[in-house]
Amino acid sequence: AQSVTQLGSHVSVSEGALVLLRCNYSSSVPPYLFWYVQYPNQGLQLLLKYTTGATLVKGINGFEAEFKKSETSFHLTKPSAHMSDAAEYFCAVSPFGNEKLTFGTGTRLTIIP
Amino acid sequence: GAVVSQHPSRVICKSGTSVKIECRSLDFQATTMFWYRQFPKQSLMLMATSNEGSKATYEQGVEKDKFLINHASLTLSTLTVTSAHPEDSSFYICSASKTGNTIYFGEGSWLTVV
Repeated sequence: AQSVTQLGSHVSVSEGALVLLRCNYSSSVPPYLFWYVQYPNQGLQLLLKYTTGATLVKGINGFEAEFKKSETSFHLTKPSAHMSDAAEYFCAVSPFGNEKLTFGTGTRLTIIP
Repeated sequence: GAVVSQHPSRVICKSGTSVKIECRSLDFQATTMFWYRQFPKQSLMLMATSNEGSKATYEQGVEKDKFLINHASLTLSTLTVTSAHPEDSSFYICSASKTGNTIYFGEGSWLTVV
């Protein structure tokens, strides 16, 4: 079974500041990990995913995430926040990468001008 | 461009009526599609797995007679909310997997039952 925990339902950062969204997972098999972004009244857009290999994954819009097996974490970061980053972010896990996803509860990111 | 398309994007229906939502894979065949539901300000919860040519697999707590899923072709799955009630108002979104472990989501469908 898989589960995802996102610490912090709301995160606020100043424009230009570091963005850090936390995600911890539980999986009985090697996980495939995803970060999705959802803008208001829109569907889901894939930011990045980890399958195998390099543990630091770079995604779109300057985001990246690092898979740390020892910490069962997959935190999402961006060095400098932009106003357009304001959205809801979901971490998700899948046992094989092309199966059903288990989502975290989401983190709403607010950017302070 | 989009590889998974949903229709309609928004629908309002009267309580007691049924509404159908379509999920299409545009440039690939999908033997399996997934349907999720998202209540306002909550996360996405898997409702069911849609299997082409066979019955859907529903998650615990999801009423299969209320949420009818048909996956009649390799590019189309439909979700029909039967006898809809206001508590069924939600955001419904589908996903399909393309080869290479890439999961694509549709744009989602907002259902409002009045």
